[in-house]
Amino acid sequence: AQSVTQLGSHVSVSEGALVLLRCNYSSSVPPYLFWYVQYPNQGLQLLLKYTSAATLVKGINGFEAEFKKSETSFHLTKPSAHMSDAAEYFCAVSDNDMRFGAGTRLTVKP
Amino acid sequence: DAGVIQSPRHEVTEMGQEVTLRCKLISGHNSLFWYRQTMMRGLELLIYFNNNVPIDDSGMPEDRFSAKMPNASFSTLKIQPSEPRDSAVYFCASSFQSSYNEQFFGPGTRLTVL
Repeated sequence: AQSVTQLGSHVSVSEGALVLLRCNYSSSVPPYLFWYVQYPNQGLQLLLKYTSAATLVKGINGFEAEFKKSETSFHLTKPSAHMSDAAEYFCAVSDNDMRFGAGTRLTVKP
Repeated sequence: DAGVIQSPRHEVTEMGQEVTLRCKLISGHNSLFWYRQTMMRGLELLIYFNNNVPIDDSGMPEDRFSAKMPNASFSTLKIQPSEPRDSAVYFCASSFQSSYNEQFFGPGTRLTVL
């Protein structure tokens, strides 16, 4: 069965700094991979998804993620953090059904 | 499109009472997922339906929980009797053609059982 591990339950960056949220997956077949964002008191929203078309996936709000098969990773990055990026981020893998990681809470300091 | 609609948004009830949470799927979607989110356990999949048929209910905590899809656009999650440990935010999500496609989440129902 597939699974996903998010390294770091809490990441703190300064405004304008690089954002890097880590996600590693395991799957017996080529997976579909997703990043979702959850703002306070809201449901999850899709940021981006990988479906094998291209290894570098661009999403909304300036986020992107790179699929690296050799490292079984799908890390999420953004070159310059904004205060509005503060939220919880979930990585998910799907090969038959979707499994979510435990989430990483991103804090952005002014 | 209005997105996934959940009601109520907040529910406060006393232990032992029956609770019914409701979800309306996005038009055209045929898969429905119920999740529970708590600080301790994170996001847990409770059950999912495909074309109104329950596919995997292994995440349903116990017999006190039941879920139905009386039609293609609507689902309910019932807890009877409710207990304080059921306090959580319950989300439903819908998608088209199972889980290879993105899931669209509703705003959630915050349940407090006293």
